[in-house]
Amino acid sequence: EAQVTQNPRYLITVTGKKLTVTCSQNMNHEYMSWYRQDPGLGLRQIYYSMNVEVTDKGDVPEGYKVSRKEKRNFPLILESPSPNQTSLYFCASSFLPGPYEQYFGPGTRLTVT
Amino acid sequence: GQQVMQIPQYQHVQEGEDFTTYCNSSTTLSNIQWYKQRPGGHPVFLIQLVKSGEVKKQKRLTFQFGEAKKNSSLHITATQTTDVGTYFCAGLNYGGSQGNLIFGKGTKLSVKP
Repeated sequence: EAQVTQNPRYLITVTGKKLTVTCSQNMNHEYMSWYRQDPGLGLRQIYYSMNVEVTDKGDVPEGYKVSRKEKRNFPLILESPSPNQTSLYFCASSFLPGPYEQYFGPGTRLTVT
Repeated sequence: GQQVMQIPQYQHVQEGEDFTTYCNSSTTLSNIQWYKQRPGGHPVFLIQLVKSGEVKKQKRLTFQFGEAKKNSSLHITATQTTDVGTYFCAGLNYGGSQGNLIFGKGTKLSVKP
């Protein structure tokens, strides 16, 4: 089954404790992206990757890191999480960058206390 | 930077009534995509519009892309309870990065049976 998977689905952590949210797709997609969703603010892009080893900042990259060492995986790293990073995070992928349908993962709900 | 404004933020309708959500961009878009997110779910791609003035239909849903490629609308005829969810538009800035997809804040639709 073609899908985007994210782990963990739920995470409660404390300020400053490094964490990684994994994202993997099995559709051989070139493009992957991370979004955060907050009430009243919609979906905001954090980082995106047009291909392996190619990443770029979205609209809200502060406090996040990403890497794209292989095509299928695009982990999101929070080196020192803060409470304002409490949010619902979605990973997405598409065949190519640009005007292509994006497939979203199920989401990761992160709470930072 | 580029902004995509979406209105209304909320819409409550009686089942059988029509519903419309509007997207307006501060810049010309190369394309517009529409997504639906059911409560507790992830965004799911509905459609993409690319051409100026384009109109596409999916059963009771009608999508339009403005002549200037700065605005778009989604109209649902005779809403059903299955239409409940949040509808997002998303666009790529014409001449901008093909990776930087900008989402509107969404319109949350509730349907009273």
